[in-house]
Amino acid sequence: AQKVTQAQTEISVVEKEDVTLDCVYETRDTTYYLFWYKQPPSGELVFLIRRNSFDEQNEISGRYSWNFQKSTSSFNFTITASQVVDSAVYFCALRGLRTGANSKLTFGKGITLSVRP
Amino acid sequence: EPEVTQTPSHQVTQMGQEVILRCVPISNHLYFYWYRQILGQKVEFLVSFYNNEISEKSEIFDDQFSVERPDGSNFTLKIRSTKLEDSAMYFCASESGSPGNEQFFGPGTRLTVL
Repeated sequence: AQKVTQAQTEISVVEKEDVTLDCVYETRDTTYYLFWYKQPPSGELVFLIRRNSFDEQNEISGRYSWNFQKSTSSFNFTITASQVVDSAVYFCALRGLRTGANSKLTFGKGITLSVRP
Repeated sequence: EPEVTQTPSHQVTQMGQEVILRCVPISNHLYFYWYRQILGQKVEFLVSFYNNEISEKSEIFDDQFSVERPDGSNFTLKIRSTKLEDSAMYFCASESGSPGNEQFFGPGTRLTVL
């Protein structure tokens, strides 16, 4: 069974602060994919980043960066210089290598990020 | 940019009534999904669909639920006899089929069962 744990429930920061969102996962799959999605107040789910399990290189994309550590089963997401528009619920999600039955996304409970001006 | 669309955006129904939620996935995508999110909770998988049949379904997806791809574009979720606990946001998603690709989500349909 797959499981995603987002221990943080709510985070509040002041604009321009950096913020890191934590994600820990469990899976028996040897190959898997990790995602972060953003859900703004309007309700839609917006894809942010993807990382596969066989590539532990951490990357930066604009103000977003992520730290994938297979040894600790963690996939943390950092927003640099946060902005008010970053206020949203952030979901970490996991899926195994697709074999038909393994294609679903398993989501964590989400972290509500509030960025104050 | 291609996007997944869903109609209606909000559906209000009486308990026991049938509802059909509609989705138009991205045109060249091969895999289709329904998820639901009860207010304030996490997003939960309902069902995946590929090659005109269900690939996997969760324990939530009981006999009251069904999915259909009646033509080349629409993908529908039917709830035969709605219950109060079916009130949730229902998201449709589609994916191209390359391993590890992200699923693209529609804007959701908010279902309210009275």
